[in-house]
Amino acid sequence: GAGVSQSPSNKVTEKGKDVELRCDPISGHTALYWYRQSLGQGLEFLIYFQGNSAPDKSGLPSDRFSAERTGGSVSTLTIQRTQQEDSAVYLCASSSHGTSGGAVYEQYFGPGTRLTVT
Amino acid sequence: QKEVEQDPGPLSVPEGAIVSLNCTYSNSAFQYFMWYRQYSRKGPELLMYTYSSGNKEDGRFTAQVDKSSKYISLFIRDSQPSDSATYLCAMSDSGNTPLVFGKGTRLSVIA
Repeated sequence: GAGVSQSPSNKVTEKGKDVELRCDPISGHTALYWYRQSLGQGLEFLIYFQGNSAPDKSGLPSDRFSAERTGGSVSTLTIQRTQQEDSAVYLCASSSHGTSGGAVYEQYFGPGTRLTVT
Repeated sequence: QKEVEQDPGPLSVPEGAIVSLNCTYSNSAFQYFMWYRQYSRKGPELLMYTYSSGNKEDGRFTAQVDKSSKYISLFIRDSQPSDSATYLCAMSDSGNTPLVFGKGTRLSVIA
């Protein structure tokens, strides 16, 4: 079946412009995550959506970053007034959800959007 | 101190070697420990996970967790050139919440 898809795969933008990154999760997955992967920094959690609950925004680095998830499916990450330090690969992941109790609900990652701010 | 520490390498080994990859962590609430493999220009894929302490084996791969030392390891036996990738450790306090990742170790297996 189809995996997690992200678009665009690459985005080059000028400093100060706004960008929107899109994530299509695996059908039926209720949990959706955004991470950022910077050179030498590893993956950094940004925001987490679970069903109809309020999103966990604790990882967003500034108020220039926001995300929404429409209809419990597609998600858009928006970065306003982009800065050079926003250059990174933005990864989206989705998983099914349940009571854990020792089980891991595998997060399936998309290929990422490589953002370059010039 | 970051929550999860991982030596970024790079690590280069000959084909057939045993590879040892490690992470340390500081948050004693972590109970779920995972290893992801990431090929160049691709998203990470889950390789193995362990709940709490102990060992887990899957083919050529063995994951170990020592919660008393806050230390986890991934061993790869009979390494192959196709194992060349970046290996990321990840952990969480629940099996279905955002993960805290190490920086990843870049591994090259030379034929």
